[in-house]
Amino acid sequence: EVQLLESGGGLVQPGGSLRLSCAASGFTFSSYAMSWVRQAPGKGLEWVSAISGSSDHTYYIDSVKGRFTISRDNSKNTLYLQMNSLRGEDTATYYCAKYTSEGGGELGDYWGQGTLVSVSS
Amino acid sequence: QSVLTQPPSASGTPGQRVTISCSGSRSNIGSNTVNWYQQLPGMAPKLLIYSNSQRPSGVPDRFSGSKSGTSASLAISGLQSEDEADYYCAAWDASLNSWVFGGGTKLTVL
Repeated sequence: EVQLLESGGGLVQPGGSLRLSCAASGFTFSSYAMSWVRQAPGKGLEWVSAISGSSDHTYYIDSVKGRFTISRDNSKNTLYLQMNSLRGEDTATYYCAKYTSEGGGELGDYWGQGTLVSVSS
Repeated sequence: QSVLTQPPSASGTPGQRVTISCSGSRSNIGSNTVNWYQQLPGMAPKLLIYSNSQRPSGVPDRFSGSKSGTSASLAISGLQSEDEADYYCAAWDASLNSWVFGGGTKLTVL
């Protein structure tokens, strides 16, 4: 059974940093691209970043470029999102989502339960 | 302002057929396939339709998707109370080099 379990969310001050983790199980982690998708309170879904299975390729939404870094450790079956220079508009539940192939494919055949990031002073 | 445009709400009575539209442009829906996601209250999203019209295993055939040009639609037939949820369309946007979502449609079963 595929499972994705996010952790690392919490309350942080503007300008601060957080690192999110997503522990994966039930599939060959290195064979699939992974993504982070966020949802601000009461709002819709917003794709944030993606990484190929081999980490060769990474992608970011413009609003987080230069502030967020996606990475993965295939030996630990874990996806990460390092978030620096956090802003109020980054407040959201962050979901990790699996793609259907190493280089991409369809987004989100499996999703984690989400971790809440709150940016406030 | 979402890149893909969906109606904010839709409704129907049990047993009815409801459709939800999703409008985009040449750089997203016009040149790539569309996915649909269902998000039940308080839950994570779930893939409902991929590649415009394909259903993952376990998704009832009451759910169907279609695409024409720069627009896509999700149809739900035989509406049930458990279908009450938010529905999102999404596609890869070749100009933005990112996945883009619609703003979501809240479906109410009356």
